[in-house]
Amino acid sequence: EDKVVQSPLSLVVHEGDTVTLNCSYEVTNFRSLLWYKQEKKAPTFLFMLTSSGIEKKSGRLSSILDKKELFSILNITATQTGDSAVYLCAVEATRDDKIIFGKGTRLHILP
Amino acid sequence: EAGVAQSPRYKIIEKRQSVAFWCNPISGHATLYWYQQILGQGPKLLIQFQNNGVVDDSQLPKDRFSAERLKGVDSTLKIQPAKLEDSAVYLCASSLGNFGEQYFGPGTRLTVT
Repeated sequence: EDKVVQSPLSLVVHEGDTVTLNCSYEVTNFRSLLWYKQEKKAPTFLFMLTSSGIEKKSGRLSSILDKKELFSILNITATQTGDSAVYLCAVEATRDDKIIFGKGTRLHILP
Repeated sequence: EAGVAQSPRYKIIEKRQSVAFWCNPISGHATLYWYQQILGQGPKLLIQFQNNGVVDDSQLPKDRFSAERLKGVDSTLKIQPAKLEDSAVYLCASSLGNFGEQYFGPGTRLTVT
């Protein structure tokens, strides 16, 4: 059965810390892995990763994919209170254009 | 650019009643998705449309849920009759193609009592 597992499920750190969020997957016919940030209701897109070893970066956020070990990490450096959110990982498969979300990591940044 | 619109934002109904949600995707987006997100869980795909055709509805409880996307633009999702376990946020999203970045609407929070 296809699945996406995120860890940790929740994380509390202080402002300025660096955090690493993990996403592992078992999906047949992998196409891409996406990261979203969900603050209130609507998730907003962060990154899409399709190739191993190529880091995607946007400001203090970066992400990389390992297709051999079947995981991705999302790094946030110099965290700010505005980074507090649920971070969702989703994997797309080419078969039936399926998409599967993980349960998310709830990140709370203390001032 | 206008985002994905959803209505209503909140709905409270009793079990066994029916309810309908509406979604208008971003103009020009061919693919529309409906997700169910139960508290503490990630979004679960219910149905995916490409234009007005169904791409995937394998996780849609078809005995009580139905969805349509007439004319390949806006879409409605209906639940009839509702059960307590249907309490969730229902998210609509759209994308240009049939994979990649999705744009999400604000969601509808459904409470079934």
